[in-house]
Amino acid sequence: DAGITQSPRYKITETGRQVTLMCHQTWSHSYMFWYRQDLGHGLRLIYYSAAADITDKGEVPDGYVVSRSKTENFPLTLESATRSQTSVYFCASSSLTYSNQPQHFGDGTRLSIL
Amino acid sequence: KQEVTQIPAALSVPEGENLVLNCSFTDSAIYNLQWFRQDPGKGLTSLLLIQSSQREQTSGRLNASLDKSSGRSTLYIAASQPGDSATYLCAVTDQTGANNLFFGTGTRLTVIP
Repeated sequence: DAGITQSPRYKITETGRQVTLMCHQTWSHSYMFWYRQDLGHGLRLIYYSAAADITDKGEVPDGYVVSRSKTENFPLTLESATRSQTSVYFCASSSLTYSNQPQHFGDGTRLSIL
Repeated sequence: KQEVTQIPAALSVPEGENLVLNCSFTDSAIYNLQWFRQDPGKGLTSLLLIQSSQREQTSGRLNASLDKSSGRSTLYIAASQPGDSATYLCAVTDQTGANNLFFGTGTRLTVIP
């Protein structure tokens, strides 16, 4: 089915571990985004990508790494997880920027770091 | 930095009532404003997008207005239904970065049958 899928849906890990969250979209959208959603802060942009091999920092990029070797995939890696990174992570995609096209969101990954 | 505020944080109304959700933003130099719906445990679904040059957008029972100069937007829901129960988020795209969506913290709506 067309759409944007995130995996895993739930993840529990320990501080200091590396964890990768996956995001896959089937629309061939150029732009992809990673947000985190925390109580009291709303959604905040972590990283975004305008195309394969092009990535840029958002509002809260520290502690995260992204890559985009293929248009359809945009994995987010926490290289050494900390408790402050416990959050719900959303991936999104859109076809264009500065346009009328909204961002389309995945169902999220709920990440708990113990 | 752009700050987006949504009031109230939670709202309960009886079925059939018309209601208004409010969104305000501090920097009027926006490119567009979007309203999203979020159901528990789910991602965000885009409801309406208003370009900065527009005053309002309508989709079915939903009407969103934008007053850029005063930094305000409202989402009007007519004849509310229990299925409208969800969290509603507004977000603005500013003119400094094409991909910077700034979100409010949302209004949690409950429509009582």
